[in-house]
Amino acid sequence: QVQLQESGPGLVKPSQTLSLTCSVSGGSISSGGYYWSWIRQHPGKGLEWIGYIYYRGTTYYKPSLKSRLTISVDTSKNQFSLKLSSVTAADTAVYYCAREITGSNNWFDLWGQGSLVTVSS
Amino acid sequence: QSVLTQPPSVSGAPGQRVTISCTGSSSNIGAGYDVHWYQQLPGTAPKLLIYGNSNRPSGVPDRFSGSKSGTSASLAITGLQAEDEADYYCQSYDSSLSFWVFGGGTKLTVL
Repeated sequence: QVQLQESGPGLVKPSQTLSLTCSVSGGSISSGGYYWSWIRQHPGKGLEWIGYIYYRGTTYYKPSLKSRLTISVDTSKNQFSLKLSSVTAADTAVYYCAREITGSNNWFDLWGQGSLVTVSS
Repeated sequence: QSVLTQPPSVSGAPGQRVTISCTGSSSNIGAGYDVHWYQQLPGTAPKLLIYGNSNRPSGVPDRFSGSKSGTSASLAITGLQAEDEADYYCQSYDSSLSFWVFGGGTKLTVL
C-alpha cells in the first residue's frame, strides 16, 4: 500500500531555510486525483495545513506562508519537497506530508510519520 | 483560535458512548462543506477516521460514526475502549479563508 516518509534536518537556525522531502512508496505520485500536501503541528497544538502540490506542478499555499513557502515535486524520484525560508522559532513544529483526496471536499487519507523540526541557534 | 471549535477534552468509561462536537460557521460547515475526522494516538501521526461527514475508511470500526447538521458536526464513539484514548480533530474547508482548516482537537480520556 502507499506509504509516505518525511526526511530532512531536525534542527534549523533562525533566518535559514527549512527543507523537507516526502518520499512516496507503493504507488505513483503521478496518479491523478490526489494533491500532495504538507501539514504541521506546533508542539502540543493542533494541525495547520500549509500547502499542496499536484504532480503536474500546480501549487496552492496557505496565504500567510505564501511569501516564504515553496513546494516542489520530482516525479522521477516519486518525491515532493517543502522549503520554508526565513524561519523563526514559531516555525518549530512536527511537519507531516499527506496525500489529499481532491474534489469538492478534500480530505487527507494517508500521512507520513512526521518530522520534528526545531528552529534554534 | 481555531476556525472550527472543539471541546478541549471529553472522557468516558469503557463501554460507554461519547460524542465530540465540531462547531463552525457559515463559511465552512454551514456553507455545505464536508467534515472529516482524524484520530491521533499519542506520539503518532493523525489517521483518517471519518470522511465526507459520515463515511468510514476500510478498517475503521463501526463504533465510530459521524454526522453533520447546520454549522456543526459530531463524532460519536460507542463501546469505548482503552485504545480509543487519543486526540481527535475535525477538518473542513473555509471559503472565507480559502484553505483547509482543522479544529483545535479534543483529547479523549478513557477512565
